[in-house]
Amino acid sequence: QQQVKQSPQSLIVQKGGISIINCAYENTAFDYFPWYQQFPGKGPALLIAIRPDVSEKKEGRFTISFNKSAKQFSLHIMDSQPGDSATYFCAARTAIAGNNRKLIWGLGTSLAVNP
Amino acid sequence: EPEVTQTPSHQVTQMGQEVILRCVPISNHLYFYWYRQILGQKVEFLVSFYNNEISEKSEIFDDQFSVERPDGSNFTLKIRSTKLEDSAMYFCASSFERYEQYFGPGTRLTVT
Repeated sequence: QQQVKQSPQSLIVQKGGISIINCAYENTAFDYFPWYQQFPGKGPALLIAIRPDVSEKKEGRFTISFNKSAKQFSLHIMDSQPGDSATYFCAARTAIAGNNRKLIWGLGTSLAVNP
Repeated sequence: EPEVTQTPSHQVTQMGQEVILRCVPISNHLYFYWYRQILGQKVEFLVSFYNNEISEKSEIFDDQFSVERPDGSNFTLKIRSTKLEDSAMYFCASSFERYEQYFGPGTRLTVT
């Protein structure tokens, strides 16, 4: 119930293509879904996030699509660039009362964008 | 732009030794976290800290671990007696309110 399942494990995309990474969850108490980007040797950097009251959020070339009934959300990277090559993690947070704000993480997707 | 900082970037220690990992969260943030990432694996939650006390901890965070905010700016993670399996990247994160957590660059802990 506390898991976030992420796929694919790795992805190769040509420059200019669309990268799509999917995540699924079971716990309906999750209320916040961020995506993090991590370059080798660096900490995860918050990329974009969504709450379940909207179905889509777009920031530049990055879009989150959220399907509440299917309990799935996905990251779309439009016009993928070699500089986007990194590991991408989806995560989720529960809306439990109190000060619990831990993030539950997916296993990560290693994205390589070929020039 | 404010950022979370962590020191040291790499710590090598012998099994059984104590280590202290240090973090300086973003200055106006109220919530603080430690996560770890074993090489090639997912990020795992360790502990969250708010209002000078632990608000939640995972099953990983046993009696060997402790956290402290000693001076209002630093946030530390102490491992009393390190084990080989403690070798990982340790990330500190902070947030102002309920949602956006910002991560530091991490400390690579190697236990030999």
